Amino acid sequence: KNQVEQSPQSLIILEGKNCTLQCNYTVSPFSNLRWYKQDTGRGPVSLTIMTFSENTKSNGRYTATLDADTKQSSLHITASQLSDSASYICVVSVRTGANNLFFGTGTRLTVIP
Amino acid sequence: DADVTQTPRNRITKTGKRIMLECSQTKGHDRMYWYRQDPGLGLRLIYYSFDVKDINKGEISDGYSVSRQAQAKFSLSLESAIPNQTALYFCATSDVTGNTGELFFGEGSRLTVL
Repeated sequence: KNQVEQSPQSLIILEGKNCTLQCNYTVSPFSNLRWYKQDTGRGPVSLTIMTFSENTKSNGRYTATLDADTKQSSLHITASQLSDSASYICVVSVRTGANNLFFGTGTRLTVIP
Repeated sequence: DADVTQTPRNRITKTGKRIMLECSQTKGHDRMYWYRQDPGLGLRLIYYSFDVKDINKGEISDGYSVSRQAQAKFSLSLESAIPNQTALYFCATSDVTGNTGELFFGEGSRLTVL
Protein backbone atom coordinates (compact mmCIF):
# COMPACT_ATOMS: atom_id res chain seq x y z
CA LYS A 1 0.00 0.00 0.00
CA ASN A 2 1.35 3.41 -0.96
CA GLN A 3 1.79 5.50 2.18
CA VAL A 4 3.65 8.58 3.29
CA GLU A 5 4.27 9.09 6.99
CA GLN A 6 5.70 12.21 8.57
CA SER A 7 7.15 12.76 11.99
CA PRO A 8 6.90 14.41 14.34
CA GLN A 9 3.28 15.48 14.04
CA SER A 10 4.15 18.79 15.69
CA LEU A 11 7.28 20.50 16.92
CA ILE A 12 8.06 23.61 18.95
CA ILE A 13 11.54 25.12 18.84
CA LEU A 14 13.25 28.32 19.91
CA GLU A 15 14.13 30.91 17.33
CA GLY A 16 17.64 30.38 16.03
CA LYS A 17 17.67 26.64 16.68
CA ASN A 18 17.88 23.94 14.03
CA CYS A 19 15.35 21.18 13.46
CA THR A 20 14.81 18.15 11.26
CA LEU A 21 11.53 16.85 9.94
CA GLN A 22 11.15 13.27 8.72
CA CYS A 23 9.23 11.66 5.87
CA ASN A 24 9.09 7.89 5.35
CA TYR A 25 7.32 6.40 2.38
CA THR A 26 6.35 3.05 0.92
CA VAL A 27 5.39 4.51 -2.46
CA SER A 28 6.43 2.57 -5.54
CA PRO A 29 7.54 2.99 -8.28
CA PHE A 30 9.12 6.18 -6.97
CA SER A 31 9.36 9.23 -9.20
CA ASN A 32 10.11 12.19 -6.97
CA LEU A 33 9.49 13.70 -3.57
CA ARG A 34 8.52 17.29 -2.83
CA TRP A 35 8.45 19.24 0.39
CA TYR A 36 5.78 21.92 0.64
CA LYS A 37 5.47 24.71 3.19
CA GLN A 38 1.98 25.76 4.21
CA ASP A 39 1.60 28.95 6.17
CA THR A 40 -1.51 29.24 8.33
CA GLY A 41 -4.51 30.15 6.21
CA ARG A 42 -2.59 29.80 2.94
CA GLY A 43 -2.10 27.17 0.28
CA PRO A 44 1.01 24.96 0.27
CA VAL A 45 4.04 26.19 -1.66
CA SER A 46 6.79 23.93 -2.99
CA LEU A 47 10.15 24.24 -1.23
CA THR A 48 12.17 21.61 -3.03
CA ILE A 49 11.95 18.52 -5.20
CA MET A 50 14.09 15.41 -4.82
CA THR A 51 14.50 12.91 -7.64
CA PHE A 52 15.80 9.37 -7.37
CA SER A 53 19.41 10.28 -8.06
CA GLU A 54 19.61 13.22 -5.66
CA ASN A 55 20.80 12.84 -2.08
CA THR A 56 20.82 16.43 -0.88
CA LYS A 57 19.37 19.71 -2.07
CA SER A 58 19.38 23.09 -0.39
CA ASN A 59 17.06 26.07 -0.69
CA GLY A 60 18.42 28.79 1.55
CA ARG A 61 18.16 27.62 5.15
CA TYR A 62 16.20 24.53 4.07
CA THR A 63 18.10 21.35 3.20
CA ALA A 64 16.31 18.24 2.00
CA THR A 65 17.86 14.79 1.91
CA LEU A 66 16.71 11.61 0.25
CA ASP A 67 17.72 8.02 0.86
CA ALA A 68 15.96 6.06 -1.87
CA ASP A 69 17.19 2.75 -0.49
CA THR A 70 15.55 3.19 2.90
CA LYS A 71 12.73 5.33 1.45
CA GLN A 72 13.33 8.18 3.82
CA SER A 73 13.59 11.92 3.37
CA SER A 74 14.33 14.68 5.81
CA LEU A 75 13.96 18.44 5.79
CA HIS A 76 16.50 20.27 7.89
CA ILE A 77 15.90 23.88 8.84
CA THR A 78 18.92 25.85 9.98
CA ALA A 79 18.83 28.89 12.26
CA SER A 80 15.07 28.92 12.46
CA GLN A 81 13.10 32.15 12.17
CA LEU A 82 9.62 33.04 13.33
CA SER A 83 8.51 32.97 9.71
CA ASP A 84 9.38 29.28 9.54
CA SER A 85 6.29 28.57 11.66
CA ALA A 86 4.12 26.57 9.28
CA SER A 87 3.08 23.07 8.31
CA TYR A 88 5.52 21.12 6.16
CA ILE A 89 4.03 18.53 3.86
CA CYS A 90 5.87 15.70 2.14
CA VAL A 91 4.41 14.62 -1.22
CA VAL A 92 5.67 11.57 -3.09
CA SER A 93 4.81 10.83 -6.69
CA VAL A 94 4.91 7.55 -8.60
CA ARG A 95 5.78 6.97 -12.22
CA THR A 96 2.50 5.27 -13.10
CA GLY A 97 -1.17 6.15 -13.00
CA ALA A 98 -3.05 9.38 -13.38
CA ASN A 99 -3.69 9.93 -9.67
CA ASN A 100 -0.07 9.55 -8.72
CA LEU A 101 0.55 11.87 -5.78
CA PHE A 102 0.67 10.64 -2.19
CA PHE A 103 0.53 13.16 0.64
CA GLY A 104 1.85 12.99 4.16
CA THR A 105 -0.27 14.54 6.89
CA GLY A 106 2.34 17.17 7.61
CA THR A 107 4.45 18.39 10.51
CA ARG A 108 3.28 21.52 12.29
CA LEU A 109 6.35 23.60 13.26
CA THR A 110 6.10 26.45 15.71
CA VAL A 111 9.10 28.72 16.25
CA ILE A 112 8.94 30.77 19.43
CA PRO A 113 11.04 33.82 20.33
CA ASP B 1 -3.13 39.03 -8.26
CA ALA B 2 -2.89 35.39 -7.26
CA ASP B 3 -2.25 32.85 -10.02
CA VAL B 4 -4.89 30.51 -8.59
CA THR B 5 -7.94 32.26 -7.18
CA GLN B 6 -10.64 30.65 -5.11
CA THR B 7 -14.03 32.10 -4.21
CA PRO B 8 -15.47 32.35 -1.69
CA ARG B 9 -12.65 32.32 0.86
CA ASN B 10 -15.03 31.62 3.70
CA ARG B 11 -18.57 30.29 3.69
CA ILE B 12 -20.97 29.24 6.41
CA THR B 13 -24.03 27.34 5.32
CA LYS B 14 -26.71 25.02 6.62
CA THR B 15 -27.22 21.32 6.14
CA GLY B 16 -28.96 20.53 2.86
CA LYS B 17 -27.95 23.69 1.04
CA ARG B 18 -26.23 23.63 -2.34
CA ILE B 19 -22.79 25.17 -2.36
CA MET B 20 -20.41 25.99 -5.19
CA LEU B 21 -16.74 26.76 -4.77
CA GLU B 22 -15.08 28.35 -7.74
CA CYS B 23 -11.49 28.28 -8.92
CA SER B 24 -9.84 30.24 -11.70
CA GLN B 25 -6.20 30.26 -12.77
CA THR B 26 -3.98 32.45 -14.89
CA LYS B 27 -1.06 30.01 -15.10
CA GLY B 28 -2.23 28.47 -18.37
CA HIS B 29 -2.09 24.98 -16.89
CA ASP B 30 -4.18 22.17 -18.28
CA ARG B 31 -4.43 20.18 -15.06
CA MET B 32 -6.64 21.26 -12.18
CA TYR B 33 -7.49 19.60 -8.88
CA TRP B 34 -9.76 19.95 -5.87
CA TYR B 35 -8.52 18.83 -2.45
CA ARG B 36 -9.95 19.00 1.01
CA GLN B 37 -7.83 19.37 4.12
CA ASP B 38 -8.86 18.19 7.56
CA PRO B 39 -6.78 18.35 10.74
CA GLY B 40 -4.76 15.18 11.12
CA LEU B 41 -5.79 13.82 7.73
CA GLY B 42 -3.81 16.02 5.41
CA LEU B 43 -4.81 16.82 1.85
CA ARG B 44 -7.14 14.39 0.09
CA LEU B 45 -8.06 14.48 -3.59
CA ILE B 46 -11.73 15.01 -4.45
CA TYR B 47 -11.68 15.43 -8.25
CA TYR B 48 -9.18 16.24 -10.93
CA SER B 49 -9.29 17.31 -14.56
CA PHE B 50 -6.50 17.05 -17.12
CA ASP B 51 -8.25 19.15 -19.74
CA VAL B 52 -11.63 20.72 -20.45
CA LYS B 53 -13.22 17.45 -21.54
CA ASP B 54 -11.68 15.33 -18.82
CA ILE B 55 -13.10 14.78 -15.30
CA ASN B 56 -11.85 12.13 -12.88
CA LYS B 57 -12.88 11.08 -9.40
CA GLY B 58 -10.37 11.23 -6.61
CA GLU B 59 -10.32 9.22 -3.41
CA ILE B 60 -13.22 11.06 -1.72
CA SER B 61 -15.60 12.16 -4.48
CA ASP B 62 -18.87 11.02 -2.86
CA GLY B 63 -21.12 13.99 -2.15
CA TYR B 64 -19.25 16.26 -4.56
CA SER B 65 -19.43 17.13 -8.24
CA VAL B 66 -17.28 19.32 -10.47
CA SER B 67 -17.47 21.28 -13.68
CA ARG B 68 -14.59 22.33 -15.91
CA GLN B 69 -16.08 25.30 -17.69
CA ALA B 70 -12.88 26.32 -19.44
CA GLN B 71 -9.16 25.66 -19.23
CA ALA B 72 -8.93 28.33 -16.56
CA LYS B 73 -12.02 27.48 -14.51
CA PHE B 74 -12.84 24.48 -12.34
CA SER B 75 -15.73 24.57 -9.87
CA LEU B 76 -16.64 22.22 -7.04
CA SER B 77 -20.26 21.70 -5.97
CA LEU B 78 -21.82 20.21 -2.90
CA GLU B 79 -25.37 19.39 -3.95
CA SER B 80 -26.66 18.94 -0.42
CA ALA B 81 -24.10 19.96 2.16
CA ILE B 82 -23.68 17.95 5.36
CA PRO B 83 -21.71 18.83 8.52
CA ASN B 84 -18.88 16.36 7.84
CA GLN B 85 -18.09 18.34 4.70
CA THR B 86 -16.87 21.13 6.94
CA ALA B 87 -13.25 21.52 5.88
CA LEU B 88 -10.69 23.68 4.12
CA TYR B 89 -10.87 23.20 0.36
CA PHE B 90 -7.99 23.85 -2.01
CA CYS B 91 -7.88 24.16 -5.76
CA ALA B 92 -4.54 23.40 -7.42
CA THR B 93 -3.04 23.36 -10.89
CA SER B 94 -0.08 21.73 -12.57
CA ASP B 95 1.32 21.99 -16.07
CA VAL B 96 2.54 18.42 -16.56
CA THR B 97 1.86 15.04 -15.09
CA GLY B 98 2.28 14.98 -11.33
CA ASN B 99 5.33 12.81 -11.86
CA THR B 100 7.44 15.92 -12.14
CA GLY B 101 4.98 18.77 -12.07
CA GLU B 102 4.70 21.12 -9.15
CA LEU B 103 1.27 21.78 -7.71
CA PHE B 104 0.23 25.43 -7.42
CA PHE B 105 -2.44 25.93 -4.81
CA GLY B 106 -5.04 28.59 -4.29
CA GLU B 107 -5.48 30.31 -0.95
CA GLY B 108 -8.20 27.92 0.15
CA SER B 109 -11.93 28.10 0.81
CA ARG B 110 -13.03 27.45 4.37
CA LEU B 111 -16.47 25.87 4.42
CA THR B 112 -18.54 25.39 7.55
CA VAL B 113 -21.74 23.36 7.36
CA LEU B 114 -24.03 23.79 10.36
